[in-house]
Amino acid sequence: AQKITQTQPGMFVQEKEAVTLDCTYDTSDQSYGLFWYKQPSSGEMIFLIYQGSYDEQNATEGRYSLNFQKARKSANLVISASQLGDSAMYFCAMRGSNYKLTFGKGTLLTVNP
Amino acid sequence: DTAVSQTPKYLVTQMGNDKSIKCEQNLGHDTMYWYKQDSKKFLKIMFSYNNKELIINETVPNRFSPKSPDKAHLNLHINSLELGDSAVYFCASSRGTIRKTGELFFGEGSRLTVL
Repeated sequence: AQKITQTQPGMFVQEKEAVTLDCTYDTSDQSYGLFWYKQPSSGEMIFLIYQGSYDEQNATEGRYSLNFQKARKSANLVISASQLGDSAMYFCAMRGSNYKLTFGKGTLLTVNP
Repeated sequence: DTAVSQTPKYLVTQMGNDKSIKCEQNLGHDTMYWYKQDSKKFLKIMFSYNNKELIINETVPNRFSPKSPDKAHLNLHINSLELGDSAVYFCASSRGTIRKTGELFFGEGSRLTVL
């Protein structure tokens, strides 16, 4: 069974600062993928970044980077230079040997001006 | 063009009624999903179809019945609606792999309110 844990229900960050959103996972699969999604107040689900379990480099997409520590089973999202528009719910998710994408409970990020 | 489109976006109905939500994707993906997001924002998979074949069927009441007439469409029919069915239902599609191109593309969600 797959399990995703996001231990931070809410996070606050000042505009232009960096913030790390935590995610740990549990799986018995050898090959899996880790994803982060953003859900603004408007409700849509926006794909941000992906990390494969065999990828040696940490994934980066613009201001988003994924701090992947395989031995610790963690896949933290780092957002650099936070913007007001980054205020949203952030979900970590994992996909293993089946087609199922399992989500964590999410972290609500608030960026303060 | 919208990649994954769901209709209706909003649905308000009485307990006991039957309702359907339709989903269509124009991305050429093989796999489609229904997720339910509850009031606490928790996203839970309900069903998944791969090339019109049901591949994931989570513990969902049998009042919920998905139908996939072709790989571009996945509809959700709900019988005898209950108050606890109130939620946002998301349709999604993917290429059905765990690689980078396997990310899910979501529709805008359908907010169902049962009175």
